[in-house]
Amino acid sequence: ETGVTQTPRHLVMGMTNKKSLKCEQHLGHNAMYWYKQSAKKPLELMFVYNFKEQTENNSVPSRFSPECPNSSHLFLHLHTLQPEDSALYLCASSHRVYRETQYFGPGTRLLVL
Amino acid sequence: SQELEQSPQSLIVQEGKNLTINCTSSKTLYGLYWYKQKYGEGLIFLMMLQKGGEEKSHEKITAKLDEKKQQSSLHITASQPSHAGIYLCGADDYQGGSEKLVFGKGTKLTVNP
Repeated sequence: ETGVTQTPRHLVMGMTNKKSLKCEQHLGHNAMYWYKQSAKKPLELMFVYNFKEQTENNSVPSRFSPECPNSSHLFLHLHTLQPEDSALYLCASSHRVYRETQYFGPGTRLLVL
Repeated sequence: SQELEQSPQSLIVQEGKNLTINCTSSKTLYGLYWYKQKYGEGLIFLMMLQKGGEEKSHEKITAKLDEKKQQSSLHITASQPSHAGIYLCGADDYQGGSEKLVFGKGTKLTVNP
């Protein structure tokens, strides 16, 4: 048990749907992250939040919209996705942003039809 | 940006055998992290190394960072089926005023009983 939970664990959506992924951390951390993991590719950082403020957007398309209402919760809002967006989306948290161990949630497996 | 190359890409061993996974960086490593991932699930933190020549062990897994801080190895002694999974190395990458964690593509380990 890593202390980072993600819901839903699996999601199938059409290209015209709008859905949201949720992440919650119970570790008292101040930094939270979204990563994308596609087959045959390294883990890709998408967004970084530090004390609820976005500090990094790694050139992510606007069809992905993050939201961080507090240091314990992180959302990823999805709309008009493409089939190539199908992947495992992982949330992580750490005490601080720089040079700190990140702890990961179990991920949401997303399939876009 | 920093790139991490892991070798081998996949490994099949008989239960009880020892094995080593390598992670080589294109730049000096300032923080090197080892994670384990079960297929389709989140990453489990194993160990973090920072100093040249550093070595850490947990149960039957030992990780080392070489003196030049450009290569790390993960050694498993007397492997068990529970060791099976994907092993990922990650490193702190500082570029253009921002810092993020970059990952290798992973090494898939299969342990046959």
